[in-house]
Amino acid sequence: EVQLVESGGGLVRPGGSLRLSCVVSGLNVSLNYLTWVRQAPGEGLKWVSLMYTSGDAHYADSVKGRFAISRDNAKQTLYLQMHNLRAEDTAIYYCVSGRGTSLDYWGQGTLVTVS
Amino acid sequence: SYVLTQTPSVSVAPGETARIACGGNNIGVKSVHWYQQKPGLAPVMVLYHDSDRPSGIPERFSGSNSGNTATLTISRVEDGDEADYYCQVWDSRSDHPVIFGGGTKLTVL
Repeated sequence: EVQLVESGGGLVRPGGSLRLSCVVSGLNVSLNYLTWVRQAPGEGLKWVSLMYTSGDAHYADSVKGRFAISRDNAKQTLYLQMHNLRAEDTAIYYCVSGRGTSLDYWGQGTLVTVS
Repeated sequence: SYVLTQTPSVSVAPGETARIACGGNNIGVKSVHWYQQKPGLAPVMVLYHDSDRPSGIPERFSGSNSGNTATLTISRVEDGDEADYYCQVWDSRSDHPVIFGGGTKLTVL
């Protein structure tokens, strides 16, 4: 069974930093793409960042230059380092993986509040 | 970048058929995936590759994709189907490959 468990969310001041973690079990993080998706209160799903198996990383324009995605294959863990946080970054952050072009496996999410 | 458009809300009586549309330029050539999200929970994939159902998803959920519109169809709607539904595609040629529609709130009357 595939499981993704996020942690690291919390309350942070504007301009502050936070690092999210996502521990993955049931699939090999080095062989599957991993992505972060966020959902602001009352809003829809928004893609944040993606790491391909090659290590190539992509970011939404709204977070480029402030967020950094990384993974530790040995620890089966995906990270999202967030700097210079803004009120509009307030959201539930989901760690997601999939096969091909679909997002098959979702974590339960971790709430980040910037205030 | 590629844009997906969904109607914000759809209402249907129990037992009827709900159709949720996802519009995009020539979306028929892309694989469309659908997610169901109930309040306070993470999204769950209900269809992938336009019309394939993951294990555990009822046969009442079906999909189609042609031209500029993909459609999620829920037959014999039940109270438990009330949720937000999102379509998603992957644009492999883009630096922003994961694209979601804005979501449709399905209300069961």
